[in-house]
Amino acid sequence: EAQVTQNPRYLITVTGKKLTVTCSQNMNHEYMSWYRQDPGLGLRQIYYSMNVEVTDKGDVPEGYKVSRKEKRNFPLILESPSPNQTSLYFCASSNFPNSYEQYFGPGTRLTVT
Amino acid sequence: GDSVTQMEGPVTLSEEAFLTINCTYTATGYPSLFWYVQYPGEGLQLLLKATKADDKGSNKGFEATYRKETTSFHLEKGSVQVSDSAVYFCALRGSGGGADGLTFGKGTHLIIQP
Repeated sequence: EAQVTQNPRYLITVTGKKLTVTCSQNMNHEYMSWYRQDPGLGLRQIYYSMNVEVTDKGDVPEGYKVSRKEKRNFPLILESPSPNQTSLYFCASSNFPNSYEQYFGPGTRLTVT
Repeated sequence: GDSVTQMEGPVTLSEEAFLTINCTYTATGYPSLFWYVQYPGEGLQLLLKATKADDKGSNKGFEATYRKETTSFHLEKGSVQVSDSAVYFCALRGSGGGADGLTFGKGTHLIIQP
């Protein structure tokens, strides 16, 4: 089954404690992306990657890092989380440039206290 | 820059009612347009899409027509069901050719009552 998986699904942490949210896709897509979803703001792109070792900033990259060492994986790293990063995070992949359709993971709900 | 505007709701309807969720956009050129649906506790799923003016996307009884003259992509369904309760996102992908992601509206929460 074609899918995007994320782990963990739920995470509660404290300010300043480094964390990583993993994302993996099995569709051999070159394009992967991270979004955050906040009430009243919709989804906003954090980072994206067009291929292995190629990443770029989206609309709200501050406070986040990503890496793309393998085609299937695209982890999101918060080196020093802060309460304003409490949000619902989605990973997505796409068969860009052949298609703009994005396939989303189930989401990770992060709470930073 | 690109933007998408849609009613946020919640929109509450009775089962079998007619549904319209308005979506208008601002973008240069000819963007691709999408509707995504998010069921409770799940990620977003593509519902339908249209890639050029006057195209009609359709899926699961939902339809939307790409109207270049009114920069709109309204979602419609003739008879909604309780199972249609979800959050619906209108989105666009600009025609600039870059690799940046989709621009989403804020989402419309739809509640269907039996």
